[in-house]
Amino acid sequence: ETGVTQSPTHLIKTRGQQVTLRCSSQSGHNTVSWYQQALGQGPQFIFQYYREEENGRGNFPPRFSGLQFPNYSSELNVNALELDDSALYLCASSLIAVETQYFGPGTRLLVL
Amino acid sequence: GQQLNQSPQSMFIQEGEDVSMNCTSSSIFNTWLWYKQDPGEGPVLLIALYKAGELTSNGRLTAQFGITRKDSFLNISASIPSDVGIYFCAGQLSNQAGTALIFGKGTTLSVSS
Repeated sequence: ETGVTQSPTHLIKTRGQQVTLRCSSQSGHNTVSWYQQALGQGPQFIFQYYREEENGRGNFPPRFSGLQFPNYSSELNVNALELDDSALYLCASSLIAVETQYFGPGTRLLVL
Repeated sequence: GQQLNQSPQSMFIQEGEDVSMNCTSSSIFNTWLWYKQDPGEGPVLLIALYKAGELTSNGRLTAQFGITRKDSFLNISASIPSDVGIYFCAGQLSNQAGTALIFGKGTTLSVSS
């Protein structure tokens, strides 16, 4: 059974640019959630996707958007990058929306 | 953003000692989870608790879901060097808007041999 995978592992962007991060859910899982983890903090919930629809959103601006595909993989897009967007971005998948979430290794984003 | 109150922030212990950390919230959760995160990696699930008062073990780890549903603790017995890492508690919030995990700030555990 393949766990949650994310790509790329690291990324460097400059302020104002746009970025796309990718996540493949664990086999059999149809729900993907995205979290932002700043240095020294716990992860913060960005949003959740279930059956290709956004199923809940945390306190993040609209420039954070996402997609889920028919194979349940997902993308996180961030427009107009700001310095504070520098963080570890984590993807978690679950069997269904209310079940336990399992995390991928994360993508480390640095905005200069 | 919302975070749980997790303590202590850090712990420095000797190999073989027992460890206890806890998490409190002003909100009620239906599920409490404990994760461990190693540097540069994602959190790994250690224990999930689904019922108020529940006490669950996973090897040397024991966790309890508080009766009030607003707190949880994690104990590690007979610590070993590979226990080093950051431990996070998380409360699971499920409503019409989906399911989100609310995390604490983490407890950094250092073990000296």
